[in-house]
Amino acid sequence: AQSVTQLDSQVPVFEEAPVELRCNYSSSVSVYLFWYVQYPNQGLQLLLKYLSGSTLVESINGFEAEFNKSQTSFHLRKPSVHISDTAEYFCAVIPNQAGTALIFGKGTTLSVSS
Amino acid sequence: NAGVTQTPKFRILKIGQSMTLQCTQDMNHNYMYWYRQDPGMGLKLIYYSVGAGITDKGEVPNGYNVSRSTTEDFPLRLELAAPSQTSVYFCASRTTNYGYTFGSGTRLTVV
Repeated sequence: AQSVTQLDSQVPVFEEAPVELRCNYSSSVSVYLFWYVQYPNQGLQLLLKYLSGSTLVESINGFEAEFNKSQTSFHLRKPSVHISDTAEYFCAVIPNQAGTALIFGKGTTLSVSS
Repeated sequence: NAGVTQTPKFRILKIGQSMTLQCTQDMNHNYMYWYRQDPGMGLKLIYYSVGAGITDKGEVPNGYNVSRSTTEDFPLRLELAAPSQTSVYFCASRTTNYGYTFGSGTRLTVV
């Protein structure tokens, strides 16, 4: 069975500082990987995903994540965060052979202060 | 193009009452899902459907039922509400290329 571990439940940072949100997964088969963001009282929005190809994927708002198969990780990074990045971030996986439903981690709350 | 629409947005139920959470999508997606989100626990899959007339249980199906009579609609039924069902419920649909769209959620409180 697949599982996702987000290593930090809360990450406080100052504005313009770099940030890394860590995600590890466990799976006996190949997986597709996702990061979602949830702003307060809203639904989930896709930030980026890895299905195949380059292991480094980028979002339009400056986030990036790198798929590391040997370490079974998909950490999310941003070199300089803004107050508006304050939100909850979810890592998710799905088996790419027979799966259909996303399996989510417990989430990481990113709090950016000035 | 409205995406995934959930109604109601908020609801308070008394223990033992029943209700249906509505979910409609206008993207002609075959795959649809119901998740519940509890603080600090992420999202857990309740039920899913791979097409009209086909549904299956997820990780936490107890206390819930679903039906899928059309491609567009995937309602979630709570028959006998319990405090443990207090949660935020999200419906989602998916393209064949793993493009998931989530609704804005239904916040349910059982008292």
